[in-house]
Amino acid sequence: DVKVTQSSRYLVKRTGEKVFLECVQDMDHENMFWYRQDPGLGLRLIYFSYDVKMKEKGDIPEGYSVSREKKERFSLILESASTNQTSMYLCATTPPGSYNEQFFGPGTRLTVL
Amino acid sequence: QQQVKQSPQSLIVQKGGISIINCAYENTAFDYFPWYQQFPGKGPALLIAIRPDVSEKKEGRFTISFNKSAKQFSLHIMDSQPGDSATYFCAAAINNRKLIWGLGTSLGVNP
Repeated sequence: DVKVTQSSRYLVKRTGEKVFLECVQDMDHENMFWYRQDPGLGLRLIYFSYDVKMKEKGDIPEGYSVSREKKERFSLILESASTNQTSMYLCATTPPGSYNEQFFGPGTRLTVL
Repeated sequence: QQQVKQSPQSLIVQKGGISIINCAYENTAFDYFPWYQQFPGKGPALLIAIRPDVSEKKEGRFTISFNKSAKQFSLHIMDSQPGDSATYFCAAAINNRKLIWGLGTSLGVNP
């Protein structure tokens, strides 16, 4: 079974702080994704990565950056957290050559005060 | 611009009833249509998927019906159980590329 883990289930940060969310997968998958999930807005893609050090912007990249130094690890960075970044953040991964069947982590509920 | 429109936003059914969630799309180039299920506190998980060369796919109590001419597809949950209470997302993709997600349907099944 694919296992996708996220560093924290719940996180509370203050406005202006730099925030790191980490995602680790154990299946040697090339593709990794970061989404945010908000009520009524579904899943919105922030960034994705198809290989180490490779990244592409998703639909809502503003205010975020990512880092992928190792194949199994994909980090989402909020350079200066704002209250409108309070959300559920979900990491996902897919096997090589496919974006279709996505395996999700349990999510990180981030609250920015 | 929502490319995959999902309805209803929420749904309550009685145990044993049929739950139906609908999705509509505009882009006829979509060639993969999955449904994901998300329980509270968990990430979404692939439930069932269909390609446009078939009109129906069934896995246990879950069925996707696909209407290519109407550009619609739906999820039917037969004999709905309280354990089916979850949020359901439809999605669509072109040529194995990025998934385009519906906004989700919160399903509650009363015991």
